[in-house]
Amino acid sequence: DGGITQSPKYLFRKEGQNVTLSCEQNLNHDAMYWYRQDPGQGLRLIYYSQIVNDFQKGDIAEGYSVSREKKESFPLTVTSAQKNPTAFYLCASSIDYTENTEAFFGQGTRLTVV
Amino acid sequence: DAKTTQPPSMDCAEGRAANLPCNHSTISGNEYVYWYRQIHSQGPQYIIHGLKNNETNEMASLIITEDRKSSTLILPHATLRDTAVYYCIVRTSYNNNDMRFGAGTRLTVKP
Repeated sequence: DGGITQSPKYLFRKEGQNVTLSCEQNLNHDAMYWYRQDPGQGLRLIYYSQIVNDFQKGDIAEGYSVSREKKESFPLTVTSAQKNPTAFYLCASSIDYTENTEAFFGQGTRLTVV
Repeated sequence: DAKTTQPPSMDCAEGRAANLPCNHSTISGNEYVYWYRQIHSQGPQYIIHGLKNNETNEMASLIITEDRKSSTLILPHATLRDTAVYYCIVRTSYNNNDMRFGAGTRLTVKP
């Protein structure tokens, strides 16, 4: 089945620990994105990648890091520097980075830091 | 970059058409209008997008005004499963085409 997979669905971590969220796609898409969503709010862009080995900061990149070493993978690390890491994290991908391509989203990872 | 304005919430009767408006008065000529929806605690689902002409697919219709400053998403026969938050987005060419989501419209379909 083609698609975009995020794992795990639920994740719990202790405060001060780094945690890495997985995002894998087998759609052969060049562009990938990470968003954060807080309760009752819209999505906010953390990082995006137009192509392998390239990524750019979005609106709220502080406290996060990413890598794009493989086309199909775009992991997000939530570092201990992120002050309010508890949130719903969504990954997306699109064929390319032009205006005329729709993005497909994974089902999200709900991170709770205690 | 173009921003969008949507009403925070709307209701619709089951079986009736749901018409969701979106204002994007600062849109530029090569910027597309996209619609996504998000059912509670799931990833957003792509619905439709367009540039100038009206578009229709199996899910919905998109009506874009001639001046492109606003658009309307139409769900022709709303069902209870269409209850979701609907996001209108302008895919901007000025900020590297990243997609920025606002708060959206919470559509509640009532029996």
